[in-house]
Amino acid sequence: SAVISQKPSRDICQRGTSLTIQCQVDSQVTMMFWYRQQPGQSLTLIATANQGSEATYESGFVIDKFPISRPNLTFSTLTVSNMSPEDSSIYLCSVGLAGVQSSYNEQFFGPGTRLTVL
Amino acid sequence: SQKIEQNSEALNIQEGKTATLTCNYTNYSPAYLQWYRQDPGRGPVFLLLIRENEKEKRKERLKVTFDTTLKQSLFHITASQPADSATYLCALRFMDSNYQLIWGAGTKLIIKP
Repeated sequence: SAVISQKPSRDICQRGTSLTIQCQVDSQVTMMFWYRQQPGQSLTLIATANQGSEATYESGFVIDKFPISRPNLTFSTLTVSNMSPEDSSIYLCSVGLAGVQSSYNEQFFGPGTRLTVL
Repeated sequence: SQKIEQNSEALNIQEGKTATLTCNYTNYSPAYLQWYRQDPGRGPVFLLLIRENEKEKRKERLKVTFDTTLKQSLFHITASQPADSATYLCALRFMDSNYQLIWGAGTKLIIKP
């Protein structure tokens, strides 16, 4: 399993500013994922961040708006740039690891960062 | 594109009864399906995984079934307890995806004492 921490846990930001969210894992992992979850909605994958390569963004998400860093195998950051109220959401960091039950990947999540943009 | 459907209405169950949650999907069959639990203000926590060639999987009071003909998975909690109250998410991985899971919106389960 993996224990994941995120900072900050929540923030209230002004329109037009940027926020960087940090994700720390207690073990070395190859693949890290960044998700967004709006109230009552499913998890939406923003990007996959592999150490040593550029992040892969999903449709509707671009690097200029959500730059990601992955400097090592235990850490990643997601920046939400030039924020607008539509960016208000919970942002979750996740890693995929082979689980106890099988060799298939289970995903382990951080506690999330609750972002409110005014 | 793939679509995952979970009942958006909260499910209210009396303590001690069996709670049954549904996950339906469209189009192609997934390689496997997972169920997660999410409490308010927390990230999802993995519960069970079932592969496309498995019909049923159990873990303590939890049971998952997988019907690829109906394109449906059922998630059962037997002898339900108020502590089981949470939102339950299903997630599917399809053969053509690259480790990416497709997520349902979740069903909120409320167990009443």
